[in-house]
Amino acid sequence: GDSVTQMEGPVTLSEEAFLTINCTYTATGYPSLFWYVQYPGEGLQLLLKATKADDKGSNKGFEATYRKETTSFHLEKGSVQVSDSAVYFCALRAGTALIFGKGTTLSVSS
Amino acid sequence: DSGVTQTPKHLITATGQRVTLRCSPRSGDLSVYWYQQSLDQGLQFLIQYYNGEERAKGNILERFSAQQFPDLHSELNLSSLELGDSALYFCASKRLDTDITEAFFGQGTRLTVV
Repeated sequence: GDSVTQMEGPVTLSEEAFLTINCTYTATGYPSLFWYVQYPGEGLQLLLKATKADDKGSNKGFEATYRKETTSFHLEKGSVQVSDSAVYFCALRAGTALIFGKGTTLSVSS
Repeated sequence: DSGVTQTPKHLITATGQRVTLRCSPRSGDLSVYWYQQSLDQGLQFLIQYYNGEERAKGNILERFSAQQFPDLHSELNLSSLELGDSALYFCASKRLDTDITEAFFGQGTRLTVV
């Protein structure tokens, strides 16, 4: 069945460091792909999305490119801030529901 | 604020008991999804309702059930609770079930079974 695999955390970075969180997927066809973020004590919020191959989703300085050839959707940010500390989930749309990866905890220190 | 409201925010109950979690979707959203987030399983899709009808089922236990009412709010009923049911339960809503717009998540109900 469809699945999402993302890098295990936690990821610990200093402020202004470069961030990459890897995400790969297994799916039939070409599903829409998403990154969600969960700040402490809050629900999931959509961070960005891409609906077809080579699409780049971007928001708040985060970017991810839908790579069909490598079935990947890695999340990147050039310069992280302390306020980016959260759990990040990669997800794909399967039918009408979302299938999530296990989440990667990012901790940014000043 | 996503516009999706879940109540209660926290719930502590004993094994063997039954609880009901409530979700009010965003205004105009017809689809409601329930997810369970636990440390060992991660985020798992439980069930989806669309305009009052069950639309899709995920990894939902037989002890769990859900429904969506005419006013589109939804309830998730968990019965014969076990320690392993302790988790964060999220509700999400979308306008339709066939479009590709993102789902909006509530803040979750944290269930602790003791």
